[in-house]
Amino acid sequence: SYVLTQPPSVSVAPGKTARITCGGNNIGSKSVHWYQQKPGQAPVLVIYYDSDRPSGIPERFSGSNSGNTATLTISRVEAGDEADYYCQVWDSSSDHPGVYVFGTGTKVTVL
Amino acid sequence: EVQLVQSGAEVKKPGESLKISCKGSGYSFTSYWIGWVRQMPGKGLEWMGIIYPGDSDTRYSPSFQGQVTISADKSISTAYLQWSSLKASDTAMYYCVVVVTAYYFDYWGQGTLVTVSS
Repeated sequence: SYVLTQPPSVSVAPGKTARITCGGNNIGSKSVHWYQQKPGQAPVLVIYYDSDRPSGIPERFSGSNSGNTATLTISRVEAGDEADYYCQVWDSSSDHPGVYVFGTGTKVTVL
Repeated sequence: EVQLVQSGAEVKKPGESLKISCKGSGYSFTSYWIGWVRQMPGKGLEWMGIIYPGDSDTRYSPSFQGQVTISADKSISTAYLQWSSLKASDTAMYYCVVVVTAYYFDYWGQGTLVTVSS
């Protein structure tokens, strides 16, 4: 099965840039989506198709995807960005029709 | 506005059965896939399965195939997740999700906490 690996934690000072990686075999050939989950809340989609933002998501959130690593970048980090972040892909192969795979999750702490 | 409203928290004993629900509104319920995601305490997200209410086509994650049943009643715009015999390891938050564009989860319900304990 396809595995997505994220760093368990990332710490960043307010106003700085946070980069959260999502590693997977040839992930650059897949579309990557990102979710933000604040404590006690349901996840929210923040990036889809590698770099598109849903309506209402600040431009400070951006994404990229190439090779074996996808990256979610949060610029000018604010205290309200403190949350868990998950990457996700759709994986299909010869042995199954398709599954949704989540990354292991990254806790972003704002110092 | 798309809304997914899930049923309330449940406390059950091992071996009991359970069916939780998710009512969709603000969109054509039969036109989009609706599914379920598990989050065990302090852990990450796991996709369980998905159903197309228009024709009841259902797909399961290999990890959950045979462990749960997903269904939908399009007459009341409601999807269900059920267990025939709960285990302590089923203790988790369960989210329903809607897939509009096929490859990611556009909308999420508020979650239903299921606690299984003797």
